[in-house]
Amino acid sequence: GEDVEQSLFLSVREGDSSVINCTYTDSSSTYLYWYKQEPGAGLQLLTYIFSNMDMKQDQRLTVLLNKKDKHLSLRIADTQTGDSAIYFCAETLDYGGSQGNLIFGKGTKLSVKP
Amino acid sequence: DTEVTQTPKHLVMGMTNKKSLKCEQHMGHRAMYWYKQKAKKPPELMFVYSYEKLSINESVPSRFSPECPNSSLLNLHLHALQPEDSALYLCASSQGSRAYEQYFGPGTRLTVT
Repeated sequence: GEDVEQSLFLSVREGDSSVINCTYTDSSSTYLYWYKQEPGAGLQLLTYIFSNMDMKQDQRLTVLLNKKDKHLSLRIADTQTGDSAIYFCAETLDYGGSQGNLIFGKGTKLSVKP
Repeated sequence: DTEVTQTPKHLVMGMTNKKSLKCEQHMGHRAMYWYKQKAKKPPELMFVYSYEKLSINESVPSRFSPECPNSSLLNLHLHALQPEDSALYLCASSQGSRAYEQYFGPGTRLTVT
């Protein structure tokens, strides 16, 4: 079945690293994503990873994928107050070569304290 | 230009009104999407247009009517809405079958009174 789970809240201090975790249930997921949503705004695609990769790094962001455990994480180094937002984990499934719809987790609200 | 624009930003309408939401992108994307997002919830897919044809309708009530006049524009026509339809309506686009790179607009905050 299709299900994406995330913890709802995370609070860190400015300058610390943040780690947001996500688990998914469908082993046929081919792409996994992290989206950021600031209050009252749309979703910003932060990064995505193909399911045949273990890690992807992009500046302060590091994505780790453990396919065996169906676990995805997003690490934000040197977290800033501007990183305060809701972070959605999402997956798409492979339907015979074409991509299916985005399936979102419920979102993790990251609060960064000065 | 990696921008998806949506108008209006806010909309308040009565249950007997007819209104339209508009979405535009100039990235040459051939797939466009409407999502509905209630407060503190993730977005829920409503419709997908692929190459200007409706390819997915996620059992959305007929009071929501999508339209894709051309590859850059996507409309959502609203008629006889209910208060529970109040939500943030998000538009997104992606390059053809590359649904994995969906770019979202800022959304229209809709309130039905």
